[in-house]
Amino acid sequence: SQQGEEDPQALSIQEGENATMNCSYKTSINNLQWYRQNSGRGLVHLILIRSNEREKHSGRLRVTLDTSKKSSSLLITASRAADTASYFCALNTGTASKLTFGTGTRLQVTL
Amino acid sequence: DTEVTQTPKHLVMGMTNKKSLKCEQHMGHRAMYWYKQKAKKPPELMFVYSYEKLSINESVPSRFSPECPNSSLLNLHLHALQPEDSALYLCASSHVPSGWTEAFFGQGTRLTVV
Repeated sequence: SQQGEEDPQALSIQEGENATMNCSYKTSINNLQWYRQNSGRGLVHLILIRSNEREKHSGRLRVTLDTSKKSSSLLITASRAADTASYFCALNTGTASKLTFGTGTRLQVTL
Repeated sequence: DTEVTQTPKHLVMGMTNKKSLKCEQHMGHRAMYWYKQKAKKPPELMFVYSYEKLSINESVPSRFSPECPNSSLLNLHLHALQPEDSALYLCASSHVPSGWTEAFFGQGTRLTVV
């Protein structure tokens, strides 16, 4: 399967703490993207990391990619209640214009 | 305008009905996508339109019929659906038809087949 496997499936933390979620995959990738989905509605793109990159930052987000281990992690620092959502990694493989989404991590940030 | 607009937001239809989902973007994107998402599952790709032509069909049953009338519009025609087709249907677009750019998603149509 080209789908990414994410862990944990669910994560509950308090506001101000950091949240880390991981994505593992089995195939070679062109790039890996992270998306957020609030309450089962539309997805919002967070960050794209190319296969030749190891780390990227965007605001409170830090993404790492280890192609030798076929894994990526998303770190959200100083979490806020508004970060409560489901987070998906998405793999771009081959030459096709398609993304294959991972299984997702449901993040709950409490006050 | 960085929005992808989907209508309707909710749809309930019988198994003998014919309905259509609509998607619109005005960002000049040349790739548009339909995804299906069941509860607590990731989105699954259904179709990709590249420069208004169907480029990927992920073996979707023929009761789902996509249409791209122009570069801004994408429709999904529904006919003789089954209850298991109930799901959130998401439209997305990207600047070019490649996985190298981010995808912009609409808010989805929540479809219930009764």
